[in-house]
Amino acid sequence: SALTQPPSASGSPAQSVTISCTGTSSDVGAYKYVSWYQQHPGKAPKLIIYEVDKRPSGVPDRFSGSKSGNRASLTVSGLQAEDEADYYCSSYAGSDNGVFFGGGTKLTVL
Amino acid sequence: QVQLQESGPGLVKPSGTLSLTCAVSGDSISSNWWSWVRQSPGQGLEWIGEIYHSGSANYNPSLESRVTISIDESKKHFSLNLKSVTAADTAVYFCTRGVEYGGYDYFGYWGQGTLVTVSS
Repeated sequence: SALTQPPSASGSPAQSVTISCTGTSSDVGAYKYVSWYQQHPGKAPKLIIYEVDKRPSGVPDRFSGSKSGNRASLTVSGLQAEDEADYYCSSYAGSDNGVFFGGGTKLTVL
Repeated sequence: QVQLQESGPGLVKPSGTLSLTCAVSGDSISSNWWSWVRQSPGQGLEWIGEIYHSGSANYNPSLESRVTISIDESKKHFSLNLKSVTAADTAVYFCTRGVEYGGYDYFGYWGQGTLVTVSS
């Protein structure tokens, strides 16, 4: 995948976990159009973070995003069982390349 | 409430053409960007391309030579054609509608996805 994510992450209920997403100076590092998607098994992805650190209406504030250089991060605080899912980062990569996704991180709530 | 529904053959022969349609309901198709995203079994997401209601389209460079996305405003649907398919094109194909924040469209609405298998 164009963006690199760890394949797995885990945490106990009420704990916090951070998932990283590493790109390059041509995608994550170049644009503020970084987003995160949550996907439960057998379901379509759901937008949970846009423009690096903003949440769409209805997304709990337990989800937060940040970016530093070519690396973006998603933090899930106060882990709940329902947060167990796959998480994908995405970044605009310019008019020549369009949109990149990360390979996804499977979050397990222990 | 925006609803998107993919339809098309679930099985395509190698070297054939994969054709899918996304029906849009609960919303006008005359605004926003409309995209196709796919997910190979057990794998991550891959952006295929997008189209605006005007017909302007952008494609993933790795697929551009084989992909065409079209839109039919009168029928409220948009379509994906992917030619010369191989087993590597086996995937769940999602159609999406962009949601604009800060001047950029994110994949805000998704269809349920449809599995297309390439096999003889």
